[in-house]
Amino acid sequence: SQKIEQNSEALNIQEGKTATLTCNYTNYSPAYLQWYRQDPGRGPVFLLLIRENEKEKRKERLKVTFDTTLKQSLFHITASQPADSATYLCAPGWGNNNDMRFGAGTRLTVKP
Amino acid sequence: GAVVSQHPSWVICKSGTSVKIECRSLDFQATTMFWYRQFPKQSLMLMATSNEGSKATYEQGVEKDKFLINHASLTLSTLTVTSAHPEDSSFYICSARESTGRTAQYFGPGTRLLVL
Repeated sequence: SQKIEQNSEALNIQEGKTATLTCNYTNYSPAYLQWYRQDPGRGPVFLLLIRENEKEKRKERLKVTFDTTLKQSLFHITASQPADSATYLCAPGWGNNNDMRFGAGTRLTVKP
Repeated sequence: GAVVSQHPSWVICKSGTSVKIECRSLDFQATTMFWYRQFPKQSLMLMATSNEGSKATYEQGVEKDKFLINHASLTLSTLTVTSAHPEDSSFYICSARESTGRTAQYFGPGTRLLVL
């Protein structure tokens, strides 16, 4: 069956360090993968999209990699700040109708 | 840009009543809108995909007669929870994709439903 697994339910790191979140998928062949941020009681906010033919994408302090051989995406936040504390969701997607499924998310806490 | 609103943000209703939730794309046209449900500490579960002017496509296990979806215009989709029961209490989130065909979905702020 198809599965999306995000490395851990919760990740705690110290301010200034790099946070690395993992998303693994099985029995999927996504054409792209998106990462979202969700704060408690709010809807997800789109962060980055990476396509299957792209190895890496960056946006300010964010970096995403996509390894279709390993069936894995890594999401990095460099120079992390307490304001980065949130739940981060990965969502592999495919198809013209934007078929997309979400992982359960990783709750990141950045401690000052 | 790419703002999606939902109304109401929260609602409390009695068991057996129906509740309508609106989802609007404020500054773009959305050919496709999606409805999700999220239980506490769980991921978003896609309920249905709706394309403007056509019937919604429901995910397996989602009752189309219970969760009525209408997507009458390029900026508005509604979800009506009919004859709501306490087990329908959840966080309902809509998202919209631009008609330009860009892949990213933009999410509304969510509606928290509590059925007593």
